[in-house]
Parts: sequence; C-alpha cells; structure tokens
Amino acid sequence: QVQLQESGPGLVKPSQTLSLNCTVSGGSLSSGYYYWSWIRQPPGQGLEWIGYIYHNGNAYYSSSLKSRVSLSIEPSESQFSLKLSSVTAADTAIYYCARVSQMIFDSWGQGTLVIVSS
Amino acid sequence: HSALTQPASVSGSPGQSLTISCTGTSSDVGGYNYVSWYQQHPGKGPKVLLYNVSNRPSGVSNRFSGSKSGNTASLTISGLQTDDEALYFCSSYSSGNSLVVFGGGTHLTVL
Repeated sequence: QVQLQESGPGLVKPSQTLSLNCTVSGGSLSSGYYYWSWIRQPPGQGLEWIGYIYHNGNAYYSSSLKSRVSLSIEPSESQFSLKLSSVTAADTAIYYCARVSQMIFDSWGQGTLVIVSS
Repeated sequence: HSALTQPASVSGSPGQSLTISCTGTSSDVGGYNYVSWYQQHPGKGPKVLLYNVSNRPSGVSNRFSGSKSGNTASLTISGLQTDDEALYFCSSYSSGNSLVVFGGGTHLTVL
C-alpha cells in the first residue's frame, strides 16, 4: 500500500520561497500509470489544486499559481517536490501531496502546515 | 471562494440517510463524469469514497453512493454512523483555468 509523507519548513517569511518534499513508500514514482500532485487547504477553507507532475517531469499547474509554482520529481529518491515563490500570508495552508490516477486522488499524505509570517 | 459549491454543514441522526450536493458548471461537473468524493477525519489526509460520479473503490462501504444531474453531483450516505462524522469534499476535472477543481467542503455532524 502506497504511503506519502510531506516534509519541509513549517514557517516561511513573506517574499521567500516555500519548499516542500513528498516521500513515497510502497510504490514507484517511475510508474507511468500515476501523476503526483500537490493540493493545499488554507485555514477554514476548501481544497485548492496546485499542480501535478508525471514521472518524466511533465508538469501541469493551476492557472492561478502557475507563475510562482515549480514541481520536480526524483524517482530514484522516491520523492517529488514543490516550490512556491514570493509567498504571502495568503499562502498559509496545510499542504498535501497525493497520488493521482485518471483524475482520482487515491492516496494522500497527512498534510503539513506551512505558515507565512515574518 | 471554491470552484465547486457545497453546503457548509449538514447533520443527521444515526441510521438516517442524507445527501450532500456539489454544484459546478458545464465546464466541470456538468461536462464530465470525473467527479470524485473524499472523506476527511480531523488530522488525517482525505480518503477517496467515490470516483467517476458513482464508483466505489475497494473497501468503501456501499452505504456511500453517488449520482449526477446536470451541473450538480450528489453524495448520499445511508444508515448514518457516528464514524461518518467528518469533512466531505467533491472534486471534478475542469476544462477551465485549472485541470482540477474542488468544493469548499461539507462538515457532517451525526447527532
């Protein structure tokens, strides 16, 4: 059974870059059957899709975040990563990584809270 | 402001049935059958309950069912149990600005 675990700083200063990793166990990032995604949930709000990346590095982003987001993947290290630049308080959220197949987010991490504050 | 509209909260008594709606547009819910539903208990990551409108993954109780009419998808929970108390989200593929859109989430309280 695949498991995903987010990791990274819980506090980021405004204007800096938020960087998170997702480590996958029990499954291969090299599988062509899945995409690997990031989703966030601001406090008290709904989920927002950030983007997803394929094993070959092809990535697709939310249009609202596209100018600030970059996803990368390292199958050999069982990790994929998120970078979000020029953060503001509006980027404070719980960030989740997830596995996606045919538009189904079938496995999720527990989520990690990132606060943007000076 | 979420792309898909869900009621903020619903409640029911054990044993009852209830339905949670998820309203979008013809660019997402109404145009495709890629609607999924997720359950999230406090402190946990979401778990998929239904996909492609009404399909249940292996291991999900048949008390959970889904349907769609026009631009609105629905999740019905029958025989409510205390463990059903959770946050429920819908999602859909979208041909709009983002490939994936989510609902704002519905808190289910079992009285």
